[in-house]
Amino acid sequence: SQQGEEDPQALSIQEGENATMNCSYKTSINNLQWYRQNSGRGLVHLILIRSNEREKHSGRLRVTLDTSKKSSSLLITASRAADTASYFCATDASPPSTLTFGKGTMLLVSP
Amino acid sequence: DAGITQSPRHKVTETGTPVTLRCHQTENHRYMYWYRQDPGHGLRLIHYSYGVKDTDKGEVSDGYSVSRSKTEDFLLTLESATSSQTSVYFCAISDGSHNEQFFGPGTRLTVL
Repeated sequence: SQQGEEDPQALSIQEGENATMNCSYKTSINNLQWYRQNSGRGLVHLILIRSNEREKHSGRLRVTLDTSKKSSSLLITASRAADTASYFCATDASPPSTLTFGKGTMLLVSP
Repeated sequence: DAGITQSPRHKVTETGTPVTLRCHQTENHRYMYWYRQDPGHGLRLIHYSYGVKDTDKGEVSDGYSVSRSKTEDFLLTLESATSSQTSVYFCAISDGSHNEQFFGPGTRLTVL
């Protein structure tokens, strides 16, 4: 069963706009991670936020975590065509060191 | 994808035949994982390993077995392939700190 569920399933924006993706999960977590997958490639780790953190930044990425609502959001600012990819949240809930992935959000950034 | 490779990258096989996929890492990471990715299902864990000869089942382990005789290699075997096992298979590795995972390039398997 999926622990994380992303919303929306698909998002289409213009270059320069911001993109926001949301993730909801069901159980308590140790941390939540976001990954990107370009078409035909493996997933690439973007950012990790621990359960005791509320916000984290990495370049143009901003991640928030609300453990009371069991939700997270990923904001990509000033999107570029190269940001076109699928984005997945993954939750690290407990030992033994496994992640549970959501179904992903497909982001299309048009020039 | 640096430090983790998968072979073969593409394979077409027939129903009922055994298939083995290989994951090889050069990072000396303790944990290795096999996932399958299907439209509408996202990424689902098949089996994982937390050390040499130490493995455990994931969410969708039926019809699959794994072996890890060396730190660097993690094999996934489909004992008797079925059409429902047509998928893209990804291997991932982790050193266990915060469970950040690094993924291989994937193997596209088609079972006819």
